[in-house]
Amino acid sequence: DVKVTQSSRYLVKRTGEKVFLECVQDMDHENMFWYRQDPGLGLRLIYFSYDVKMKEKGDIPEGYSVSREKKERFSLILESASTNQTSMYLCASSLLGDGGRAGGEQYFGPGTRLTVT
Amino acid sequence: AQSVSQHNHHVILSEAASLELGCNYSYGGTVNLFWYVQYPGQHLQLLLKYFSGDPLVKGIKGFEAEFIKSKFSFNLRKPSVQWSDTAEYFCAVNARNNAGNMLTFGGGTRLMVKP
Repeated sequence: DVKVTQSSRYLVKRTGEKVFLECVQDMDHENMFWYRQDPGLGLRLIYFSYDVKMKEKGDIPEGYSVSREKKERFSLILESASTNQTSMYLCASSLLGDGGRAGGEQYFGPGTRLTVT
Repeated sequence: AQSVSQHNHHVILSEAASLELGCNYSYGGTVNLFWYVQYPGQHLQLLLKYFSGDPLVKGIKGFEAEFIKSKFSFNLRKPSVQWSDTAEYFCAVNARNNAGNMLTFGGGTRLMVKP
């Protein structure tokens, strides 16, 4: 079974703090993703990475950065946390698709519920 | 840019009632389609997927979905829901020409099944 783990289930930080969210997958997947999940908005993609040291912006990258130094690990960084970044953060991974025929299926971690006060 | 719409944000049913959750997407090309489910306190997991072939797809726990290309729809159905189906359901689309294999998600539908 694919396993995606996230460093914390719950996190409380103060405004202005630097926040690191860690994600590790154990299935040698090329792709890794960070989403935030908010009620009524579904999942919105923050950043994704298709290889070590490679990253692409998603739909809502502002206020976030990412790091992928090893294939199995993908970190989300909030340089200066703000209250509007209070959310559930989900990490996911997937295989690199073969032109789309098998692409897309993502495996999710349990999520980190971040509260910024 | 592609988008996914789920028409119902909240659905409340009694046990044994039939379920249909709507999902429409906007993208003219070939797509892969997914339904994910998130049970209370658990992580998102795949319910079913459509890549090609028979447009009626069967998933886990008695769920099925029908891809209607002309309507850009991928509605989720279950003939008789159980209390344990209480969860949030997400429809997602992956455009085939998307090298990054990104998924676009709908806003989700919260289903509550009353015992």
